Amino acid sequence: DAGVTQSPTHLIKTRGQQVTLRCSPKSGHDTVSWYQQALGQGPQFIFQYYEEEERQRGNFPDRFSGHQFPNYSSELNVNALLLGDSALYLCASSVTPGQGSYEQYFGPGTRLTVT
Amino acid sequence: GNSVTQMEGPVTLSEEAFLTINCTYTATGYPSLFWYVQYPGEGLQLLLKATKADDKGSNKGFEATYRKETTSFHLEKGSVQVSDSAVYFCALSDRTGGSYIPTFGRGTSLIVHP
Repeated sequence: DAGVTQSPTHLIKTRGQQVTLRCSPKSGHDTVSWYQQALGQGPQFIFQYYEEEERQRGNFPDRFSGHQFPNYSSELNVNALLLGDSALYLCASSVTPGQGSYEQYFGPGTRLTVT
Repeated sequence: GNSVTQMEGPVTLSEEAFLTINCTYTATGYPSLFWYVQYPGEGLQLLLKATKADDKGSNKGFEATYRKETTSFHLEKGSVQVSDSAVYFCALSDRTGGSYIPTFGRGTSLIVHP
C-alpha cells in the first residue's frame, strides 16, 4: 500500500519565480491538505482539497493556490516567490471528513529554497 | 480558537532514561489528540492518538493519556533509545465548524545519547 508521495524532493527557485509541487494521496484517501513548515516550527495549514474544490484555507495569501484532480492527486502552486517562502512543504491525505477518524497521513515533503 | 502548547526543547537524555514531553491544549470543541514524530529530513509520521477523554494512545513503547480535566496529552516512554531522536509534535483536531484541520504545537526536539 503506497503512502503519500510528493515530488520533487528538493527545489531551488529564484525570487519572483513560480513553483508547482505535486502530491499523490494514500490509497483510499480522497482529501488532501497542504502545509508549510518553516525551520524549527510546526506545520502551518495552507488549504485543504476535497471533491476537487478548496474546502478550507489557512492564513496564506492568494499567491498560494492549488488544484485537485479526479484521481485525488493535488498540486500546490506558489507565484511571485519570496525569500520567506523557503520551507518544507508537506502534503497530507485523509478520508472524507465525517467518514472516519481525523488523522492525517503525511508525505515526506518538498524542500523549497528561494534565493 | 484552538491551540497547542508544548514544552520547549531540546530534551537531551541518555539511552534508557525515562521520557516525558508535556503538551497542553485549548479547544472550543471535543478534540481528538495526536502525537506525530518527524525524523531528520522526513515528513511527519503519526505516532499515537486518542479520541476521547481518558483514552490512552500507545505505540512503539510511547504512551499518552487524554486528560480532559487538565487539558493535557503528555507523551511518555519508559526507556528511550538513540533511534528515538527526532522532533515530536502534539496536535489536536476537532469538528468545530466542520473543520478537521489539525492544529500543531511547535515541536519538541529529543536528543538521546548512547
